[in-house]
Amino acid sequence: EVQLVESGGGLVQPGGSLRLSCAASGFTFSTYAMSWVRQGPRKGLEWVSAISGGGTTTYYADSVKGRFSISRDNSKNTLSLEMNSLRAEDTALYYCAKTRWAYCSGGSCYGPYFDDWGQGTLVTVSS
Amino acid sequence: EIVLTQSPGTLSLSPGERATLSCRASQSVSSSYLAWYQQKPGQAPRLLIYGASSRAAGIPDRFSGSGSGTDFTLTISRLEPEDFAVYYCQQYGSSRLTFGQGTRLDIK
Repeated sequence: EVQLVESGGGLVQPGGSLRLSCAASGFTFSTYAMSWVRQGPRKGLEWVSAISGGGTTTYYADSVKGRFSISRDNSKNTLSLEMNSLRAEDTALYYCAKTRWAYCSGGSCYGPYFDDWGQGTLVTVSS
Repeated sequence: EIVLTQSPGTLSLSPGERATLSCRASQSVSSSYLAWYQQKPGQAPRLLIYGASSRAAGIPDRFSGSGSGTDFTLTISRLEPEDFAVYYCQQYGSSRLTFGQGTRLDIK
């Protein structure tokens, strides 16, 4: 059974930083792309970032590019999201999600969708 | 960015009835790259349908998806008590994937 357990959320001031983690089990972690998807009170569901199975290719939504960094450690079956320069609009429940692609071409993949999700970790950005 | 508009916002039905949920896109969704998710209170979304009409693993056959271009439908043939939840569509055919705002399916 696939299990994804997020941690690291909390209350942080605007401009601050936070690191989220996701512990994965029940599947061969290194063979799957992984994503972070957030669910906020105003924007609803929003894809944030994805990383290839090997960790060599990363993808970001425009809203977080340059501020967030996704990474993974396949030896420990963990996924991470480093979040810097946090803003009020980053307030959301952050989910770790096992990711499938619509297609891959030329070393990049496109069109992620999400076939397993964790329970989420809450990030609140407020002074 | 492709905007997905789901209707109705809330659907009130009884167990055993048929539910039809709509997802309309502001532009054509490439190759029917559309997914449907179910979310119950306090839980994460669960993938039901991908590729507009393919059921995800373990999803009962009372759930079916159809449509192409800009109009997509999720149908639940006979509602079970556990089906009352919020349903989201998601398109993944453009460079900026987007979700709909959701349809809440309530017990009448």
